[in-house]
Amino acid sequence: DTGVSQDPRHKITKRGQNVTFRCDPISEHNRLYWYRQTLGQGPEFLTYFQNEAQLEKSRLLSDRFSAERPKGSFSTLEIQRTEQGDSAMYLCASSFPISSGEPTDTQYFGPGTRLTVL
Amino acid sequence: GEDVEQSLFLSVREGDSSVINCTYTDSSSTYLYWYKQEPGAGLQLLTYIFSNMDMKQDQRLTVLLNKKDKHLSLRIADTQTGDSAIYFCADLDSSYKLIFGSGTRLLVRP
Repeated sequence: DTGVSQDPRHKITKRGQNVTFRCDPISEHNRLYWYRQTLGQGPEFLTYFQNEAQLEKSRLLSDRFSAERPKGSFSTLEIQRTEQGDSAMYLCASSFPISSGEPTDTQYFGPGTRLTVL
Repeated sequence: GEDVEQSLFLSVREGDSSVINCTYTDSSSTYLYWYKQEPGAGLQLLTYIFSNMDMKQDQRLTVLLNKKDKHLSLRIADTQTGDSAIYFCADLDSSYKLIFGSGTRLLVRP
């Protein structure tokens, strides 16, 4: 078990460009979550998937944001027409609802992708 | 919406105990979590407590939960310099998302 991985770890882009981030969850985890963390704050929920179905989206997720999990494994988060306010750490987490001795939905986080919009 | 609050900063001497406090508003909370974040890194799960428990001990970590007051604390015994980090309290809400506090920065002085 290699843990949750995210790619890239850092992304610098110019305002107005599109960016896409990838998250690979822990294998066999069927829930996948995206959070956004700005400097000095705790992570804020963006969206989550159970298998390939996107079950909830935060109001923070504007029309410029789209997330997919096409085969119920890895997920991508795309931001179109980036703005300086999108600069943040984007964190991915995964969990599985069937208990294996842990609470259901214990979320394990990846290292994050730090986005800087110039 | 639900809210989680934490004090911003704690400084302790190496070898002392650290106590990080958290309050939350969710009346239907089932699980509460503590995560640790080192600079530039993701969140590392430290421990959790089920809402019908009062206390949980896990090696150097002790979690205390006062459900009546909606108060959670994390005690780290024999604090080491490697424990310096930001600690987040998080509440698992009814739709399976985590609601985080703003984090408590722990500084351990040699």
